[in-house]
Amino acid sequence: DQQVKQNSPSLSVQEGRISILNCDYTNSMFDYFLWYKKYPAEGPTFLISISSIKDKNEDGRFTVFLNKSAKHLSLHIVPSQPGDSAVYFCAASGGKLIFGQGTELSVKP
Amino acid sequence: DVKVTQSSRYLVKRTGEKVFLECVQDMDHENMFWYRQDPGLGLRLIYFSYDVKMKEKGDIPEGYSVSREKKERFSLILESASTNQTSMYLCASSFQAAPYLTDTQYFGPGTRLTVL
Repeated sequence: DQQVKQNSPSLSVQEGRISILNCDYTNSMFDYFLWYKKYPAEGPTFLISISSIKDKNEDGRFTVFLNKSAKHLSLHIVPSQPGDSAVYFCAASGGKLIFGQGTELSVKP
Repeated sequence: DVKVTQSSRYLVKRTGEKVFLECVQDMDHENMFWYRQDPGLGLRLIYFSYDVKMKEKGDIPEGYSVSREKKERFSLILESASTNQTSMYLCASSFQAAPYLTDTQYFGPGTRLTVL
């Protein structure tokens, strides 16, 4: 039973445009959400997080939005750059981290 | 900077072999974790430890065991490797003490294990 889902395995975006990565969850008790970025042959690195008491958190080009009623979060990257090409995992915390399946973002020059 | 290191980047073993994957972190973190990453399944938690000599099962512990004799080191053991354990294994650590395990986790580079 997948409690955290990323339904798009891949996303392709033109450089300079907005990338939107989506994540859905089922457990309303999750209180903290994170996004990780993973390059091939490297471990995931923390990107940005949001507490369940907020609906938006911004860090430079990265913004995470949380819609608790829809149990949905999204990561916006504006503007997208080729170096953003990686696999992005969302994770939800309810005692331990539960990860989604990942979305592979490709940003084309 | 937090550093999490894993003993091998690539490993090839035969079915039935005993396999040890080692992980070391240098930031005095309380918690350490072992995940496996498989296409379409994301990261799945195998075991974690929130203190020396303490261990807890994650979501997929079958076929694995762990050892944490020192705070900085967390080992994953495959008692008798099988082909379905071919995967990318990722170790992580985090600071915040139990029972809160929500702190940001820092990952090692991963070990790509192939079981033939």
